[in-house]
Amino acid sequence: EPEVTQTPSHQVTQMGQEVILRCVPISNHLYFYWYRQILGQKVEFLVSFYNNEISEKSEIFDDQFSVERPDGSNFTLKIRSTKLEDSAMYFCASSGWGGYTFGSGTRLTVV
Amino acid sequence: AQTVTQSQPEMSVQEAETVTLSCTYDTSESDYYLFWYKQPPSRQMILVIRQEAYKQQNATENRFSVNFQKAAKSFSLKISDSQLGDAAMYFCAYRSGESSGDKLTFGTGTRLAVRP
Repeated sequence: EPEVTQTPSHQVTQMGQEVILRCVPISNHLYFYWYRQILGQKVEFLVSFYNNEISEKSEIFDDQFSVERPDGSNFTLKIRSTKLEDSAMYFCASSGWGGYTFGSGTRLTVV
Repeated sequence: AQTVTQSQPEMSVQEAETVTLSCTYDTSESDYYLFWYKQPPSRQMILVIRQEAYKQQNATENRFSVNFQKAAKSFSLKISDSQLGDAAMYFCAYRSGESSGDKLTFGTGTRLAVRP
């Protein structure tokens, strides 16, 4: 069964550093997403991406965040200057007609 | 904006018994999808079951079934013959059916404990 692949599974970074989270969506899916889950809380939508541009973003997705599809397979989330409160699980997902699939997540720890 | 409410922060069930997790939602749309996701301690999001709003028949997947009440905007999950491996966080989620590219809106989750 096709999978959404996320790397790394766990990343520790210093406050103020830039971090890039990577995702490989399912190949025939056209929509890509990032979600965030702070420990003990619900999963929150960050951004959706279609046809090489952002289609929707939440209030959480401020100027510190950016997304990119640098080639035909990868989809990245960049946090420019990490804060302690950015510590969370970040999920990538992709969707097409009939399917919506999550990756296994990247646990980001900001110290 | 759509909202999803899970009013049970925690539930507990005896192994082999049946438990029902509640979910209500608010929307003005007629075409949408509803989901239940399981999140074990690994924090992976695992799809348990999905329901299309246009389908009157309740979805079932082995021991998991839903009670979908469209008029009441209720979408409960029933787990039959509960197993120790069912212990996890369960999230109810809503997605608009207007395109294949809409975000999921999640509830706050219900933590299910299974007693041996």
